Amino acid sequence: QVQLVESGGGVVQPGRSLRLSCAASGFTFSKSAMHWVRQAPGKGLEWVAAIWYDGSNKYYTGSVKGRFTISRDNSKSTLYLEMNSLRADDTAVYHCARSMFDNSGFDAFDIWGQGTMVTVS
Amino acid sequence: EVVLTQSPGTLSLSPGERATLSCRASQSVSSNYLAWYQQKPGQAPRLLFYGASSRATGIPDRFSGSGSGTDFSLTISRLEPEDFAVYYCHHYGRSPLTFGPGTKVDIK
Repeated sequence: QVQLVESGGGVVQPGRSLRLSCAASGFTFSKSAMHWVRQAPGKGLEWVAAIWYDGSNKYYTGSVKGRFTISRDNSKSTLYLEMNSLRADDTAVYHCARSMFDNSGFDAFDIWGQGTMVTVS
Repeated sequence: EVVLTQSPGTLSLSPGERATLSCRASQSVSSNYLAWYQQKPGQAPRLLFYGASSRATGIPDRFSGSGSGTDFSLTISRLEPEDFAVYYCHHYGRSPLTFGPGTKVDIK
């Protein structure tokens, strides 16, 4: 079935790095723009980063620019988020999500993963 | 950046009642690039509406979305027990994409 499964979360010290992965299945990953969205404990949703279906464009929220890098491997149907210089306020559940229309950029998110927890402490 | 404000913060209602949730944008949302999501504890968000009023696959018709420009709303005509959750509006027209702070619909 259509699904996204995140991995790579954990507990990390401030200033260190972590790489998250999101494995996609059940749809043509190479046609979908992808996103990372995070949710701090007890808080709302925050969009983090986006990458176009072909990797040609990448976008970031201001607080992670220069620290986080979004990438994808369409041959492996996998999305990544490389997180450097982690801070306590990066602590959150990180979800990957799919833009709902093929070969487009920004769209609503019709498929979400369950998320992976990142704790910076 | 488009800042989204949702009201009320919490809506306490009984099953069978009507719920009206508001989402206001700090500037006009082009082409109605506004979505609504439902999130229950421990679960990922679920898409309800995109383009302000287009219902996503599998969403019951007791849910409706409307609005344009800067004012949008989500209405649940008759609350079912499974509708008690947090609802977020989302602007996705351009970077940075933004979410509203959410409205919690809880049981009165």
